[in-house]
Amino acid sequence: QPVLTQSSSASASLGSSVKLTCTLSSGHSTYIIAWHQQQPGKAPRYLMKLEGSGSYNKGSGVPDRFSGSSSGADRYLTISNLQSEDEADYYCETWDSKVFGGGTKLTVL
Amino acid sequence: EVQLVESGGGLVQPGGSLRLSCAASEFTFSSYWMSWVRQAPGKGLEWVANIKQDGSEKYYVDSVKGRFTISRDNAKNSLYLQMNSLRAEDTAVYYCAMRISTIEFWGQGTLVTVSS
Repeated sequence: QPVLTQSSSASASLGSSVKLTCTLSSGHSTYIIAWHQQQPGKAPRYLMKLEGSGSYNKGSGVPDRFSGSSSGADRYLTISNLQSEDEADYYCETWDSKVFGGGTKLTVL
Repeated sequence: EVQLVESGGGLVQPGGSLRLSCAASEFTFSSYWMSWVRQAPGKGLEWVANIKQDGSEKYYVDSVKGRFTISRDNAKNSLYLQMNSLRAEDTAVYYCAMRISTIEFWGQGTLVTVSS
């Protein structure tokens, strides 16, 4: 069973960019993941499916400011031109094994 | 647009039972795996259970095996979670979720509180 490791928190300034990381455990570096956003008090929202190649498929209505990339066992979510509404918890999830990372709380300064 | 609407949450005493429902619409319910995911207060997301299209395969997280049962009624476009022998640690918002192709959809969740 894979383990997904995320930093507990991150912060960045309004209008800047931030790159969140989700690291797959040893032996699982090729796994496909999904990124989800959870704004305070709301249900999770699917952002994208991200493959080990770096190819990603975003959900309907997800702004162009959100993009994904990969390097080895690391899966990244980059948010450009940060907006106040991007302040949220971000979770990664393995696509096939239903394992979630612990989540990263993003603060927009 | 896909809609998933959970219901059935509430306050229940330890050892009690509760049945959650998820009403699905705007997609062919019988064609997709369905899942329950929960989130304890202030904590992260945890997958609970999922069920195959025809109900022939069901999987559970270890902590609920033997206590929770996932089921579905394709004629009613509904997903269920029967929760028995509830414990304080089952307190959480329960979400139903599913995928169509490369996109995952979530319901708005229903809160289950286990407390005396």
